[in-house]
Amino acid sequence: AQSVTQPDIHITVSEGASLELRCNYSYGATPYLFWYVQSPGQGLQLLLKYFSGDTLVQGIKGFEAEFKRSQSSFNLRKPSVHWSDAAEYFCAVGAPSAGNMLTFGGGTRLMVKP
Amino acid sequence: DVKVTQSSRYLVKRTGEKVFLECVQDMDHENMFWYRQDPGLGLRLIYFSYDVKMKEKGDIPEGYSVSREKKERFSLILESASTNQTSMYLCASREGPILEAFFGQGTRLTVV
Repeated sequence: AQSVTQPDIHITVSEGASLELRCNYSYGATPYLFWYVQSPGQGLQLLLKYFSGDTLVQGIKGFEAEFKRSQSSFNLRKPSVHWSDAAEYFCAVGAPSAGNMLTFGGGTRLMVKP
Repeated sequence: DVKVTQSSRYLVKRTGEKVFLECVQDMDHENMFWYRQDPGLGLRLIYFSYDVKMKEKGDIPEGYSVSREKKERFSLILESASTNQTSMYLCASREGPILEAFFGQGTRLTVV
């Protein structure tokens, strides 16, 4: 069965600083990978996804993520954080063998200092 | 605009009550899911359904059941609510494995 680990429960960055949120997955083959964001009081919104091809994927709101097979990682990055990026971020993995199921990590809560 | 609608944003129920959480999607998706969200634990899958009347257990099905009589509607049932089922419940739907899941706004359930 697949699993996802987000090692950082909380991260605080200053506005304008760069951001990297870590995601490690466990799955025997190439999984489908997703990053979602949840703003306070909101449902989850897809930021980006990877299922094949170029390992650097671009998403909405200026986010990108890089799939590294050798490290079983799919880290999310943003070059310059805005105060509105404060939210909780979830990495998720879908395994081709598991049909349409998605497995989520524990989430990383991002706080942005002015 | 795609939509997944959960019938209640907030619910307060008593221990032992039977609780129904309703979810409706307007995208004609085959697959629907119920997750439970708790701080530090992320989203954990309770049940999912891949077709009308079809269901499969997720990671934490104990104490829950589901019903899918129509394609657009997926209900989560707490047969006898307990305080440890106090949580945020999220419904989602998706069409296929490489496509995104769309989420409802969530139902915050408190069992007292």
